[in-house]
Amino acid sequence: ETGVTQTPRHLVMGMTNKKSLKCEQHLGHNAMYWYKQSAKKPLELMFVYNFKEQTENNSVPSRFSPECPNSSHLFLHLHTLQPEDSALYLCASSQGLAGGNNEQFFGPGTRLTVL
Amino acid sequence: QKEVEQNSGPLSVPEGAIASLNCTYSDRGSQSFFWYRQYSGKSPELIMFIYSNGDKEDGRFTAQLNKASQYVSLLIRDSQPSDSATYLCAVRGSSASKIIFGSGTRLSIRP
Repeated sequence: ETGVTQTPRHLVMGMTNKKSLKCEQHLGHNAMYWYKQSAKKPLELMFVYNFKEQTENNSVPSRFSPECPNSSHLFLHLHTLQPEDSALYLCASSQGLAGGNNEQFFGPGTRLTVL
Repeated sequence: QKEVEQNSGPLSVPEGAIASLNCTYSDRGSQSFFWYRQYSGKSPELIMFIYSNGDKEDGRFTAQLNKASQYVSLLIRDSQPSDSATYLCAVRGSSASKIIFGSGTRLSIRP
């Protein structure tokens, strides 16, 4: 596996379900990110981890719970979601915090549908 | 006012012409500026970044930055049908870890 991988690629869940999204980066990067991309809206930064420590929580509802056990893995735990949470969830990683020469590499995303 | 603004398009450009994509931002303390390309159903990929005023060229792509006007643009020369995609402008503001994306401009290159 190369680059940034995400599983599952598609997920359909009910509002009472609990599920988790997984992201793994094979690039030796130190920073990882969760983004939400809804139709006709800008890409929204959700969480940032740098060396496993959360450095940014962009006012995300508590029904989204991130976990970063090490610099290569990032999870997003989901529970009691709402239909408006349906979106493409993108994971990204970068060598240092994104900016300047620290390019973000994106995974393919998980298409989430909440019924 | 949105933090990063782009015209949603679609912007239609004939093949071989120059496509010009524009972006404005609100945070005067912004340091780094990025252009991503996103094909339908795919994830964004970085095309260019720029952090100094002026022009930066890479192949057919030129990024232009004017911090006084809080304006960044992307020019695509000799447009090809394969350039048809949504182009996202992203800005790293005063917070080191936070990058704000615009909503993207959909570009269509007509043969």
